[in-house]
Amino acid sequence: DAEITQSPRHKITETGRQVTLACHQTWNHNNMFWYRQDLGHGLRLIHYSYGVHDTNKGEVSDGYSVSRSNTEDLPLTLESAASSQTSVYFCASSEPETSDSLGNTGELFFGEGSRLTVL
Amino acid sequence: AQSVAQPEDQVNVAEGNPLTVKCTYSVSGNPYLFWYVQYPNRGLQFLLKYITGDNLVKGSYGFEAEFNKSQTSFHLKKPSALVSDSALYFCAVRDMFGYSSASKIIFGSGTRLSIRP
Repeated sequence: DAEITQSPRHKITETGRQVTLACHQTWNHNNMFWYRQDLGHGLRLIHYSYGVHDTNKGEVSDGYSVSRSNTEDLPLTLESAASSQTSVYFCASSEPETSDSLGNTGELFFGEGSRLTVL
Repeated sequence: AQSVAQPEDQVNVAEGNPLTVKCTYSVSGNPYLFWYVQYPNRGLQFLLKYITGDNLVKGSYGFEAEFNKSQTSFHLKKPSALVSDSALYFCAVRDMFGYSSASKIIFGSGTRLSIRP
């Protein structure tokens, strides 16, 4: 079965360290996303990609970067981790919506999450 | 600007009773509306969606949702709650205008549903 996997599932790091969270999907989806989940905020979009070599900033992109060198992977990098980046991070993927309202509407398929603690 | 609100942080229901989880939205055009569920230590799972057509949408695990355009609401419902329905529920909205605009999916803050035996 197709799936989307994240690693590591749990990570503890120190302030200032570089951290990379991996996301790998076997759905062959063009669209991939990174969200962070914090109490009281729901899910907030960090970065997203519509295909290979395409990346875009979401609403909370400061301090994060992504790269898309193939369809399957969208790693999220924290260049210099800060305590404010302690959170649970979710990767998701979807097919692009079609212009026909009866077509695919871009439901998201989520990974299991990566819990990051920055001390 | 798009927004979605879930006014209740927590909903408590006895097993066997009907449940409602509320969601209201604001978009500039016609909305795509979604409900997702999150079980402990898991990612979100798609439950159901409204795109067009009948205002009552049926989804997974016996859940349904009613789209009300005049009240800009999309409440999640189930006629008879199960203890296994206890989870975190998220409403999400996307403006249907804009091809490949998946980036504009906005999530609510979530409602924790607790079903007591």
